[in-house]
Amino acid sequence: EDKVVQSPLSLVVHEGDTVTLNCSYEVTNFRSLLWYKQEKKAPTFLFMLTSSGIEKKSGRLSSILDKKELSSILNITATQTGDSAIYLCAVANQAGTALIFGKGTTLSVSS
Amino acid sequence: GAGVSQSPRYKVAKRGQDVALRCDPISGHVSLFWYQQALGQGPEFLTYFQNEAQLDKSGLPSDRFFAERPEGSVSTLKIQRTQQEDSAVYLCASSSSSAGTFFSPLHFGNGTRLTVT
Repeated sequence: EDKVVQSPLSLVVHEGDTVTLNCSYEVTNFRSLLWYKQEKKAPTFLFMLTSSGIEKKSGRLSSILDKKELSSILNITATQTGDSAIYLCAVANQAGTALIFGKGTTLSVSS
Repeated sequence: GAGVSQSPRYKVAKRGQDVALRCDPISGHVSLFWYQQALGQGPEFLTYFQNEAQLDKSGLPSDRFFAERPEGSVSTLKIQRTQQEDSAVYLCASSSSSAGTFFSPLHFGNGTRLTVT
C-alpha cells in the first residue's frame, strides 16, 4: 500500500530559527514527490522533486529528495511568523491517478 | 477562471440529508480530483477524473458517495444520507497532466466545509 509518513507532526520555533521537516514514503513505481503549504484554506504548491540529490530552492525554502532512502526534507531558514502553516508531503500513487498525502507537519513560528 | 472554484464554502446538513458539492476546475485542465480532509489530517484521496471518465474511485468510503463530471469540466460530489463521520473539508483539485504521465502539481480549491449535525 502506498504510504507517506511525515515527521515531526508538529513543531514550535522562534522567528529566525531554521527548521527541517521530514517525509518518508513507500510507493510502487515512484514518479514524483511534492511539497505543499496549507494555511487556512487550499494547499499551495511549493516544490516537485523527481531526481535524487538535486536541491530545489525558493527564497528561504529548499527541498531535496533521496530516492535511496525513500525520503525528502524541506528546510526553512530564518523562519518568519508567516511561515506558520501545515506542510504537506505527497507522492503520486502507482497508477498515477492521485497524490497520496502524509498527515502533515504543523509549524508554529512565534515572534 | 483563474483558479479552482468550489461551492458552497460551508454546508450544514442534518444527518440523513443528501448534499451536493460543486467544483469548477481551471479551464482546460484534464484531471480533476476530490479529496476529503478531516481536522488535523492530510487530504485523503476520494476519486479521480480524466476529462469525463472516472478512472479511479478507490477512495470513496462508501456507496453513499458519488461523483460525476459529465462534460469533462465542472464536477459534483454527492453524498447521500449524510452521517456525522462525513463532516470534513472536501477539496477539489485540478491538473494539466493525465493519469500515468509525469505528475504535474495539483491546484486546489478552497474547499467546502461540511458539517453534519
